[in-house]
Amino acid sequence: DTEVTQTPKHLVMGMTNKKSLKCEQHMGHRAMYWYKQKAKKPPELMFVYSYEKLSINESVPSRFSPECPNSSLLNLHLHALQPEDSALYLCASSQASGGGETQYFGPGTRLLVL
Amino acid sequence: AQSVTQLDSHVSVSEGTPVLLRCNYSSSYSPSLFWYVQHPNKGLQLLLKYTSAATLVKGINGFEAEFKKSETSFHLTKPSAHMSDAAEYFCVVTGTDSWGKLQFGAGTQVVVTP
Repeated sequence: DTEVTQTPKHLVMGMTNKKSLKCEQHMGHRAMYWYKQKAKKPPELMFVYSYEKLSINESVPSRFSPECPNSSLLNLHLHALQPEDSALYLCASSQASGGGETQYFGPGTRLLVL
Repeated sequence: AQSVTQLDSHVSVSEGTPVLLRCNYSSSYSPSLFWYVQHPNKGLQLLLKYTSAATLVKGINGFEAEFKKSETSFHLTKPSAHMSDAAEYFCVVTGTDSWGKLQFGAGTQVVVTP
């Protein structure tokens, strides 16, 4: 089973709202990732967690706050977002975070910021 | 450091005819190369992966790719296109120095006509 699940599928929020995206995997993977994908573009890496510790933050604005409560769960807390943050947010996981590891992606959360 | 170039942003094929998606890469170290497919409003699905075991890699849904080191290429092919192959395809490279960071190509949009 190579399934990564993400909730919700769709989210509409105002610029003053606080919301969270959730990602879950039960493959025993120890690395998890958040990506942002704009229309007609490849995904852009935001954060990497390795063994539940943040190992890479790609200079993401602080209005995005990741959290890894345990090895199966990854959250992305959203606060005071801007309309340009509207995008597809993808979660991925891999056995480890080293080069060459295969990343398995979830279906994404489509976010619209009004 | 790694980079990848997808030579065609858009490919149109007739159902039942061959598909060729071209990808060139550069890498300082022995690369791992992937092809992912993304159907509209979906996440990324792994088609196949090259990790130096065999230069011809077979993937899901009848796709295969050939690694050619001398040409630094990793082109994706399928002998006979199906309507369900209409999607965005990403060529991806990573290496032992990547720390989990995937380098995506810009993507190739495949259109299949009846």
